[in-house]
Amino acid sequence: DIQMTQSPSSLSASVGDRVTITCQASQDISNYLNWYQQKPGKAPKLLIYDASNLETGVPSRFSGSGSGTDFTFTISSLQPEDIATYYCQQYDNVPLTFGGGTKVEIK
Amino acid sequence: EVQLVESGGGLVQPGRSLRLSCAASGFSFDDYAVHWVRQAPGKGLEWVSGISWNSGSTDYADSVKGRFFISRDNAKNSLYLQMTSLRAEDTALYYCAKAIVPATNGPIDSWGQGTLVTVSS
Repeated sequence: DIQMTQSPSSLSASVGDRVTITCQASQDISNYLNWYQQKPGKAPKLLIYDASNLETGVPSRFSGSGSGTDFTFTISSLQPEDIATYYCQQYDNVPLTFGGGTKVEIK
Repeated sequence: EVQLVESGGGLVQPGRSLRLSCAASGFSFDDYAVHWVRQAPGKGLEWVSGISWNSGSTDYADSVKGRFFISRDNAKNSLYLQMTSLRAEDTALYYCAKAIVPATNGPIDSWGQGTLVTVSS
């Protein structure tokens, strides 16, 4: 199974800050990676697919990059409504596997 | 608009069985793979099982293999998860999720709101 190591597990930042989350795969997954946002009590929402493509309707302050084993998710200017937990997920192989999540809070 | 509505959750004793259902609408259900993903209280996301567009391929997490069985009825736009020999560690919110490809090894783009399964005596 492909293991996804996501870091940090939590972070606190100020409104307007640039926020970066990393995800490392245990083997090469090309660009077969999604990033999801999950707000408390809600289902996950797809933000980024194929590692770097922004889902329709998602604000441009969200972005993703990387390929192979190392991936990065960035919020260019943190907004209060971005408070959530963010997950990476690989779909190169089943079982599909998720990172452990990053809880983003406002400082 | 894609809609996925799960049902069938509840409180069940260890060792018993439960069947979850997911009613899909707003898209051509038989064109896409669909999955079950669960989230234990306060924990992260765990993929449980997936089924290809025509039921030709089914996949399971090791944690549920041999106990859970996924199926779909394209005529009814419905996905199912038959859960047997339930354990306390199966307690979670179970999400139905749609892929954007027919095969199970593809990205998920839509989720239901989940149905809660609690395994306890």
